[in-house]
Amino acid sequence: AQTVTQSQPEMSVQEAETVTLSCTYDTSESDYYLFWYKQPPSRQMILVIRQEAYKQQNATENRFSVNFQKAAKSFSLKISDSQLGDAAMYFCAYRRSGNQFYFGTGTSLTVIP
Amino acid sequence: GAVVSQHPSRVICKSGTSVKIECRSLDFQATTMFWYRQFPKQSLMLMATSNEGSKATYEQGVEKDKFLINHASLTLSTLTVTSAHPEDSSFYICSARGLATYEQYFGPGTRLTVT
Repeated sequence: AQTVTQSQPEMSVQEAETVTLSCTYDTSESDYYLFWYKQPPSRQMILVIRQEAYKQQNATENRFSVNFQKAAKSFSLKISDSQLGDAAMYFCAYRRSGNQFYFGTGTSLTVIP
Repeated sequence: GAVVSQHPSRVICKSGTSVKIECRSLDFQATTMFWYRQFPKQSLMLMATSNEGSKATYEQGVEKDKFLINHASLTLSTLTVTSAHPEDSSFYICSARGLATYEQYFGPGTRLTVT
């Protein structure tokens, strides 16, 4: 069974600084996708970034980047130049093509002005 | 971009009554829709997977007679919570998988409160 583990229930970062959220997963598959979703107080799930397992290059979206270590089954999210609007719950997720998501337990990120 | 809507956004019902939640893909066809439940400060847990025109597949521990799912068209799936009880109070989120791309898009969720 696929499991996704986020070991940091809460994190905080000073505005304009950098923070890294950790995620590990367990799978026996070789072809899959990894995601980071942001859930603000509105509860709408917002896609932050995604990574295809077959790609060695780490995905980047503006201030958001990942460190994907396939052998170690690790998928961390780095947020640079943190902004107040980045404050939210962040979920790491695993998915095989077309199938359902498996979510981690989430990390609550606080941005300190 | 692809948009998924849910209706209602929040609903309050009395214990013992039934409530229906709709999930619509507004600008794309979705062969598969997924229903998740999220309790406060917890993660999303998959309840069931519904495919257009066929019966839903429920995850272990989810009562299929209590959570009725219908996926009658390529743009609409419904979740009916029958004989609701206070412990069914939760946030219900759907996601829809695109017909052509296999991408999935989340709805904004429905907050159900059973009194």
